[in-house]
Amino acid sequence: GENVEQHPSTLSVQEGDSAVIKCTYSDSASNYFPWYKQELGKRPQLIIDIRSNVGEKKDQRIAVTLNKTAKHFSLHITETQPEDSAVYFCAHLGSGGSNYKLTFGKGTLLTVNP
Amino acid sequence: KAGVTQTPRYLIKTRGQQVTLSCSPISGHRSVSWYQQTPGQGLQFLFEYFSETQRNKGNFPGRFSGRQFSNSRSEMNVSTLELGDSALYLCASSLDLDEQFFGPGTRLTVL
Repeated sequence: GENVEQHPSTLSVQEGDSAVIKCTYSDSASNYFPWYKQELGKRPQLIIDIRSNVGEKKDQRIAVTLNKTAKHFSLHITETQPEDSAVYFCAHLGSGGSNYKLTFGKGTLLTVNP
Repeated sequence: KAGVTQTPRYLIKTRGQQVTLSCSPISGHRSVSWYQQTPGQGLQFLFEYFSETQRNKGNFPGRFSGRQFSNSRSEMNVSTLELGDSALYLCASSLDLDEQFFGPGTRLTVL
């Protein structure tokens, strides 16, 4: 199993609010979970990642949590700013064989309203 | 370090033609992955190469192929183009599949 379900597909928040995006996966042996941000007309950029040996990782206003038992991971953005507006993609690295690749969710369009 | 580069940036072709896209990874990176990005479908995995060997391939028809050279540069080829092949084609390089760095993409339009 290599699918990644990402929700919501669109998210609109007021500047200063928090935003949460959730992803679920099916490959229980996956051990690497990155998040990418893609601004309009630009390439995806890695913003944070987490490996399966930790449950949470934080970098300034961005945090990622991982629940391996439930097979889901989430991106949390606090104190959102208009420049956070972009499409966010979660991904996971499959365990091996035909699953040894990054599989991406379909993305979440985040709009931060001033 | 120089980032991932892709050429050409834009391409217009007609149905039935073939196309070759190029990707130069970050120096020292041996893994190159290719993705097709279309609205609503996100990033769909095409294939991944590591040290000139294809390690994995996505669910795309055989018209999509690729290769990697000894300097880690990679090319992908699409033969007998169809309208549905219009998309942004992104490559990403990494040391070994984690921490992938994306190129700017090649925007392919098939008329």
